[in-house]
Amino acid sequence: EDQVTQSPEALRLQEGESSSLNCSYTVSGLRGLFWYRQDPGKGPEFLFTLYSAGEEKEKERLKATLTKKESFLHITAPKPEDSATYLCAVRYYGNNRLAFGKGNQVVVIP
Amino acid sequence: NAGVTQTPKFQVLKTGQSMTLQCAQDMNHEYMSWYRQDPGMGLRLIHYSVGAGITDQGEVPNGYNVSRSTTEDFPLRLLSAAPSQTSVYFCASSDPAGGNTEAFFGQGTRLTVV
Repeated sequence: EDQVTQSPEALRLQEGESSSLNCSYTVSGLRGLFWYRQDPGKGPEFLFTLYSAGEEKEKERLKATLTKKESFLHITAPKPEDSATYLCAVRYYGNNRLAFGKGNQVVVIP
Repeated sequence: NAGVTQTPKFQVLKTGQSMTLQCAQDMNHEYMSWYRQDPGMGLRLIHYSVGAGITDQGEVPNGYNVSRSTTEDFPLRLLSAAPSQTSVYFCASSDPAGGNTEAFFGQGTRLTVV
């Protein structure tokens, strides 16, 4: 069973059409939830860390939120340069490993 | 500000050949790890290290060896390459080993085994 599930797998948006990406996790004892952005042919680039339910972080058109079982990455009025794969990862108490989801591939059409 | 540097960027191997993927970081991070990324599979942990001289297996360690003789370097060795090891490999580091900070990734090595 996957520890981290991201949905939808792929998303096509018109420029300016806001949407949300979901990351749900199944194991208790969350130490931190991390969002990354990955462009084709590049390594993941860190976006946000969330540590506790109710926490929110923002950066430009992106806003990440966290509940007890899932996180959302809201993309407000996206631009074509927001096209990327967004990765979610969780770290649990007891180790320093990051467990990754399979990613949300986002394409923003001008 | 180099961060995490991986070499080579691309590599083609024949089945049975061996090679070492290099990873170096200049941030004095204690924790380093290797992932492979395959279509539809996400990032999967191969091996990790919590400091010089200490390594451990991740979820997909078979066919790979690692060592950590210095804080800066964490090479990944393929002893006898197989087509199933065709993938994109990422090295990452974070600090401290017991902390809860984000991981920094290299740009990846795209490996093809024919």
